[in-house]
Amino acid sequence: ELKVEQNPLFLSMQEEKNYTIYCNYSTTSDRLYWYRQDPGKSLESLFVLLSNGAVKQEGRLMASLDTKARLSTLHITAAVHDLSATYFCAETGDNNNDMRFGAGTRLTVKP
Amino acid sequence: DTGVSQDPRHKITKRGQNVTFRCDPISEHNRLYWYRQTLGQGPEFLTYFQNEAQLEKSRLLSDRFSAERPKGSFSTLEIQRTEQGDSAMYLCASSFSGQGGEGETQYFGPGTRLLVL
Repeated sequence: ELKVEQNPLFLSMQEEKNYTIYCNYSTTSDRLYWYRQDPGKSLESLFVLLSNGAVKQEGRLMASLDTKARLSTLHITAAVHDLSATYFCAETGDNNNDMRFGAGTRLTVKP
Repeated sequence: DTGVSQDPRHKITKRGQNVTFRCDPISEHNRLYWYRQTLGQGPEFLTYFQNEAQLEKSRLLSDRFSAERPKGSFSTLEIQRTEQGDSAMYLCASSFSGQGGEGETQYFGPGTRLLVL
């Protein structure tokens, strides 16, 4: 069974602190996606990681992919309140069709 | 390009009624997906189309659910004889298959929130 597991599921951070969200997946897929969702809103694409060792950065967020370990990380640097949201990782499995999501990490950044 | 749009945004219905949702994908995208998301969970895949062909359906898609994409453009998702357990956010996404790489990213619409009383 395809599984995508994120941890932690809940994360409360103080501003200016750093933290990492982990995403483990079960397939041999070499592509991994990160999305952001604000309360009551839809999903916004953040990163697409397409190969082993891929690293992408946008502002205070950096995502990486290790396909051998079937692990992706989303690192938050010097958090700010605007980053408060739920972050999902997802992978498309070997068939590159349907997308399987993790349960999400609900991030709250407090002043 | 206005992105993926969905209609209605909210729907309240009584148990046993039928409901239909519409999704308009990004115009050049040939793939269209339906997902369901319940509170506190990640989206769950329901079905997807490539052009007008429905290529895959999840086991979550019971026989009360039907989806169509008649001309390979917009899609509809119908739920017959709704049950309280159908209450969820129904998300539509689209992508372009064939470009490879980031071109196959799925872009999501705003969702239709369904409440079955």
